[in-house]
Amino acid sequence: DVKVTQSSRYLVKRTGEKVFLECVQDMDHENMFWYRQDPGLGLRLIYFSYDVKMKEKGDIPEGYSVSREKKERFSLILESASTNQTSMYLCASSFVQGSEKLFFGSGTQLSVL
Amino acid sequence: QQQVKQSPQSLIVQKGGISIINCAYENTAFDYFPWYQQFPGKGPALLIAIRPDVSEKKEGRFTISFNKSAKQFSLHIMDSQPGDSATYFCAASAGSNYQLIWGAGTKLIIKP
Repeated sequence: DVKVTQSSRYLVKRTGEKVFLECVQDMDHENMFWYRQDPGLGLRLIYFSYDVKMKEKGDIPEGYSVSREKKERFSLILESASTNQTSMYLCASSFVQGSEKLFFGSGTQLSVL
Repeated sequence: QQQVKQSPQSLIVQKGGISIINCAYENTAFDYFPWYQQFPGKGPALLIAIRPDVSEKKEGRFTISFNKSAKQFSLHIMDSQPGDSATYFCAASAGSNYQLIWGAGTKLIIKP
């Protein structure tokens, strides 16, 4: 079974802190994604990557950056956390190009105080 | 035009009943329509998906009905069970675009 592992289940940070969210997948998937999930808004794509060192902006990239130095690892960085970035963050991966089956991690609930 | 509108926001169904969740879209270029199921504390998982060349797809108790002319698709859960209680998301995408456009989600509760 594909496993997508997010480093933290819960995270509490202070406003202005630099925050790193880590995601690792074990199935040699080409594509990796970071989503943000907020009640009533569904899932919104922050960034995605289709190859090592490649990244593309999603719908809501402002305030975020990403890093993909190795195929299996995709990091989301909040350069200066703000309270409006309090949310559930979901990492996903997929094998083929396009929007075929996504495999999600269990999410990181980030609270910025 | 990129939106996928999902309804209802929440739904309570008696055990053994039929649960129906609806989604509507505007972009006629959409050609892939998945449904994801999310249990508390877990990420979403693909439940069932359909492409517009068929009007219905069934997998066990789960059926997607697709109406191309109305630009609507729906998820039917037959003989709903308490274990089906979860949040359900519809989504859509066009071609090989990476970006799934997601509905807002429906929280389904099946009462024993």
